[in-house]
Amino acid sequence: DVQLVQSGGGLVKPGGSLRLSCAGSGFTFSRYDMIWVRQAPGKGLEWVSFIRSSGSDILYADSVKGRFTISRDNAKNSLYLQMNSLRAEDTAVYYCARDLWDVCNDYWGQGTLVTVSS
Amino acid sequence: EIVLTQSPGSLSLSPGERATLSCRASQSVTSKFLAWYQQKPGQAPRLLIYSASSRATGIPDRFSGSGSGTDFTLTISRLEPEDFAVYYCQQYGTSHMFTFGQGTKLEIK
Repeated sequence: DVQLVQSGGGLVKPGGSLRLSCAGSGFTFSRYDMIWVRQAPGKGLEWVSFIRSSGSDILYADSVKGRFTISRDNAKNSLYLQMNSLRAEDTAVYYCARDLWDVCNDYWGQGTLVTVSS
Repeated sequence: EIVLTQSPGSLSLSPGERATLSCRASQSVTSKFLAWYQQKPGQAPRLLIYSASSRATGIPDRFSGSGSGTDFTLTISRLEPEDFAVYYCQQYGTSHMFTFGQGTKLEIK
């Protein structure tokens, strides 16, 4: 079965850093593009970042550009999101998701809560 | 950037009824790149429909998608108790810049 298992997250002070991880299993991780999506408490879904299967292409939402870094280690079947200079408005549940055929996201991680507060 | 507007914001219906959810884009969207997701409280989104009208694996046939251009619809033919959730449309844009609608909450009447 395809699984995306997330780790990381937690409480961090404004200006701090955090690293999220997403481990894939049950599929050939290196063949799939991946994305991060977040959801602020009680709000809708917001796309955060995209990375090509090879890591060659990377995109960010304007709201996180210059502060967040997406990366992957295909040898470890893992996706990462390094979050620096965190702000209160970054407080959200963060999801990793698999890209399917460049048209949708068919599998999602369970989500991990990031809370930015002093 | 394409903006997706979903309507209504919330919908109260009874099990067995038909639900019609709308997603309107601020400019034309290629049907191939329009998807629908279901999200229940405390859970990750679940893919229902991709390419405007194709059901994802394991999705019951009471769920159907239609539309083109700027107007897309998700229809649930006969509501089951487990269908009450929040539904989001997604546009898989050029250069992988994705946007989501704000969601429609489907509630039990």
